[in-house]
Amino acid sequence: DVKVTQSSRYLVKRTGEKVFLECVQDMDHENMFWYRQDPGLGLRLIYFSYDVKMKEKGDIPEGYSVSREKKERFSLILESASTNQTSMYLCASSLYGGVSPLHFGNGTRLTVT
Amino acid sequence: QKEVEQDPGPLSVPEGAIVSLNCTYSNSAFQYFMWYRQYSRKGPELLMYTYSSGNKEDGRFTAQVDKSSKYISLFIRDSQPSDSATYLCAMRGLAGGTSYGKLTFGQGTILTVHP
Repeated sequence: DVKVTQSSRYLVKRTGEKVFLECVQDMDHENMFWYRQDPGLGLRLIYFSYDVKMKEKGDIPEGYSVSREKKERFSLILESASTNQTSMYLCASSLYGGVSPLHFGNGTRLTVT
Repeated sequence: QKEVEQDPGPLSVPEGAIVSLNCTYSNSAFQYFMWYRQYSRKGPELLMYTYSSGNKEDGRFTAQVDKSSKYISLFIRDSQPSDSATYLCAMRGLAGGTSYGKLTFGQGTILTVHP
């Protein structure tokens, strides 16, 4: 079974802090994604990566950056956390661009105070 | 207007009921349609996947796609308490370019099946 592991289940940070969310997948998947999930808004794509060191902006990239130095690891960075970034963050991976399904981690609940 | 609109619910039904979950979409480029199920405190997992218009059945679940109306549905027969979860529709266009499997999700419907 594919396993997507997010390093923290819950995180509390202060406004202005730099925040790192880590995600690791163990199935040699090409693609990795970061979504945020908010009530009434569903899942919104922040960034995705289709190869090591490659990244593409999703629908809501403002205030975020990403890093993919190794195939199995995809990091989401909040350069200066703000209260409107309080959310559930979900990492996902898929085998290749096409019809392969997304496999999600269990999420990181980030609270910015 | 959002590209994908999903009936927000929440939906509460008795055990054994037939459940209908629905999404409409505006982007005619969408070709692949999925339903994800998300249990509390878990990530979404793929439940059903369809490409063409018509019905696809898997056990108690039936996914229906009507591309002419830009409307998709998920039916759950003989619903069980274990079906209680958030259901998310998702869709995408053809692969290629930088789409790389990028999905657009609906807002999710919270379903509770009570014994």
